Amino acid sequence: SQTIHQWPATLVQPVGSPLSLECTVEGTSNPNLYWYRQAAGRGLQLLFYSVGIGQISSEVPQNLSASRPQDRQFILSSKKLLLSDSGFYLCAWDIQGARVGYTFGSGTRLTVV
Amino acid sequence: AQTVTQSQPEMSVQEAETVTLSCTYDTSESDYYLFWYKQPPSRQMILVIRQEAYKQQNATENRFSVNFQKAAKSFSLKISDSQLGDAAMYFCAPYGNSGNTPLVFGKGTRLSVIA
Repeated sequence: SQTIHQWPATLVQPVGSPLSLECTVEGTSNPNLYWYRQAAGRGLQLLFYSVGIGQISSEVPQNLSASRPQDRQFILSSKKLLLSDSGFYLCAWDIQGARVGYTFGSGTRLTVV
Repeated sequence: AQTVTQSQPEMSVQEAETVTLSCTYDTSESDYYLFWYKQPPSRQMILVIRQEAYKQQNATENRFSVNFQKAAKSFSLKISDSQLGDAAMYFCAPYGNSGNTPLVFGKGTRLSVIA
């Protein structure tokens, strides 16, 4: 069966520190991968998506970046965090053409202090 | 491009009653799907129901059903016999069949269930 893992679950980081959030998918090949951010009590904002290794599309240019070093691994990074980077980060996947919706990870709650 | 409007930031319903959450959307795709997701306090996103736009019949999943009005670009979610576990944020999202555009979510409706 397919599963998605996202870690860490919670993170508290000081302003100006680096960030690395990781997401991996098991049980499938060549998934589409997505990073969303959700501010407290608000909707989901698409940050990045990837349809293949090394292929990253950015929806919201800012001090975040994403990489896909392996087929089923998606990493969200920042060199220097801002207070405004605080939020709930969700990774998701689907298969091109499947049309069954996305499967989401359990999320990472990031607090920048 | 796709846009989604959920005009009800918050709704409440008595346990065992019925509630309808509204969603309107716009899409440039001629063939598409529509999804409702639920996000309980755990914040895990859970797919509730899926509608294929080319099907006139409204989708149903147990106590959850949709009222899909394609011409009006309206996709409302009806929850019957509401339960305490239905309390959550609910998000509507259209998905183009071309697969070229990722899911764009509405701002959500927070549903409270009153015992």
